[in-house]
Amino acid sequence: AQRVTQPEKLLSVFKGAPVELKCNYSYSGSPELFWYVQYSRQRLQLLLRHISRESIKGFTADLNKGETSFHLKKPFAQEEDSAMYYCALRETSGSRLTFGEGTQLTVNP
Amino acid sequence: DAGVTQSPTHLIKTRGQQVTLRCSPKSGHDTVSWYQQALGQGPQFIFQYYEEEERQRGNFPDRFSGHQFPNYSSELNVNALLLGDSALYLCASSPGQGRFLYFGPGTRLTVL
Repeated sequence: AQRVTQPEKLLSVFKGAPVELKCNYSYSGSPELFWYVQYSRQRLQLLLRHISRESIKGFTADLNKGETSFHLKKPFAQEEDSAMYYCALRETSGSRLTFGEGTQLTVNP
Repeated sequence: DAGVTQSPTHLIKTRGQQVTLRCSPKSGHDTVSWYQQALGQGPQFIFQYYEEEERQRGNFPDRFSGHQFPNYSSELNVNALLLGDSALYLCASSPGQGRFLYFGPGTRLTVL
């Protein structure tokens, strides 16, 4: 069965520092990976997906099939990046998402 | 467009009772998925409705059932509530079983 692991429940960095949120997955097929973000008192929203290979709000994520990872990175963290981040996997068939447990990112001034 | 809306916002029930949660999808979306998010956990897939039929189901007991109406809105029903059913229930909509999910704000269910 598919599984998504986010090893860090909490991550704290200072403004301007690089940040990396880790995500590892297990899935026998060819998955599609996403990062969702939930800012304080807001709903869960899509941040980025691996197939688009785009940078959103300065964040990037590269799918590494060899290491089965999809880490989220930003070179210079901002205070407004403070939020809960969820990594999610979509199976080859169907549209259900399997989420990790989330990482709470705090960017300190 | 208000996006995905859910009602009620909060709900308190006692063990053994039944509850119905409601969801209206984003305009133009015809597929609705339900997720359960326990405290400190990521969302877990319950089921998905498309064309008024359950298309996919996660690992949830039959106490969890749903319905989709012709206007694409959906209901989630939970029977014989257990303390462990206390969670945030999220509704997400998408166009045509697509991969882009838009989430609602959730309904917080507390079972006492």
